[in-house]
Amino acid sequence: GENVEQHPSTLSVQEGDSAVIKCTYSDSASNYFPWYKQELGKGPQLIIDIRSNVGEKKDQRIAVTLNKTAKHFSLHITETQPEDSAVYFCAAEENNDMRFGAGTRLTVKP
Amino acid sequence: SAVISQKPSRDICQRGTSLTIQCQVDSQVTMMFWYRQQPGQSLTLIATANQGSEATYESGFVIDKFPISRPNLTFSTLTVSNMSPEDSSIYLCSVRQGAGDTQYFGPGTRLTVL
Repeated sequence: GENVEQHPSTLSVQEGDSAVIKCTYSDSASNYFPWYKQELGKGPQLIIDIRSNVGEKKDQRIAVTLNKTAKHFSLHITETQPEDSAVYFCAAEENNDMRFGAGTRLTVKP
Repeated sequence: SAVISQKPSRDICQRGTSLTIQCQVDSQVTMMFWYRQQPGQSLTLIATANQGSEATYESGFVIDKFPISRPNLTFSTLTVSNMSPEDSSIYLCSVRQGAGDTQYFGPGTRLTVL
């Protein structure tokens, strides 16, 4: 089955700096890669996703890149703000089987 | 998008008792899932709730411990039976229409077992 590894486990940045979270996956058949943000006491919320026929997708300050050959994808947050502080999860899906990374706790210091 | 509500939002229970968690979606969805999230951990799939048939459980989870119902396309329940402190966790309901579609999560139920 699919195995998703996520790095780093914790990330601390200054407000205004960029943050990058990376994930690798094992199953080359995976074709859908969502990213979730989970704030304290809440359920995960989808922030961006990418499908295997696209190499990059951007939504305002958030972007995701996908390298299918290397089987890795990354989340990029630019101009970070304190409200970006949360735990971020990547996931990879193949044929209805969705696997999640271990999560990255992002702290944005004002 | 799908709006998901869960009841209760949190509970404190005594060991040996059972708790049933409800999940309600504002629209009909094909697929419903139940996840467990232990403190500081990632999301672990417990089972896929199937309408009109028995749920499909992941390795390590059994029906006797986590019975699931799904009477229609908008509602499901998860029961945590004969609870022990190790069952203390957040339980999340999740839905999507099909493979490759957006998957949405409910707000979670925070369970503490004493």
